[in-house]
Amino acid sequence: GQQVMQIPQYQHVQEGEDFTTYCNSSTTLSNIQWYKQRPGGHPVFLIQLVKSGEVKKQKRLTFQFGEAKKNSSLHITATQTTDVGTYFCAGHQGGKLIFGQGTELSVKP
Amino acid sequence: NAGVTQTPKFQVLKTGQSMTLQCAQDMNHEYMSWYRQDPGMGLRLIHYSVGAGITDQGEVPNGYNVSRSTTEDFPLRLLSAAPSQTSVYFCASSGRDYQETQYFGPGTRLLVL
Repeated sequence: GQQVMQIPQYQHVQEGEDFTTYCNSSTTLSNIQWYKQRPGGHPVFLIQLVKSGEVKKQKRLTFQFGEAKKNSSLHITATQTTDVGTYFCAGHQGGKLIFGQGTELSVKP
Repeated sequence: NAGVTQTPKFQVLKTGQSMTLQCAQDMNHEYMSWYRQDPGMGLRLIHYSVGAGITDQGEVPNGYNVSRSTTEDFPLRLLSAAPSQTSVYFCASSGRDYQETQYFGPGTRLLVL
């Protein structure tokens, strides 16, 4: 079955540093979604990428979808303490939305 | 518009007990799903439903049953709880199909002793 792998599992940064999390699938994805979960909260949708090579930006967040539609990345520029949380990618296969393991981001002020 | 609601928020069970986790949405969403979240494991799909009367298994369905008699409700049943089912359970829903934005409920924290 499909596997969605996400690295790193944890990332600790100083406020102002950049952060990147990577998502890789064993199969081609029709699209990929990214979610953020604040500590103690529930996942909240951030964005969806559909096209091969697509790049989308949300303020300091940049999302990329690989040319082969098997990988994706989320890059945060100049992290802030409000960026703390776990970031998940999720890909679709056969009617199911499969999540990666998530990357937990901590930001030291 | 309450979105996705889950009850209870927290539950303690003894091994072998049964219980039902409730999930409801008021957005007229067709697609609903249950996930469990464990440290280092991310969100794993338990069961999902593409509409009333239709359910299917996800990645980790063993030990759980679901039914979808109405569009609004998607309960998750644990027939005989085991300590391995200690987890945080999230219900999610989306519009016409699973490729749309997933809206998650607040979660149910389950402890099985």
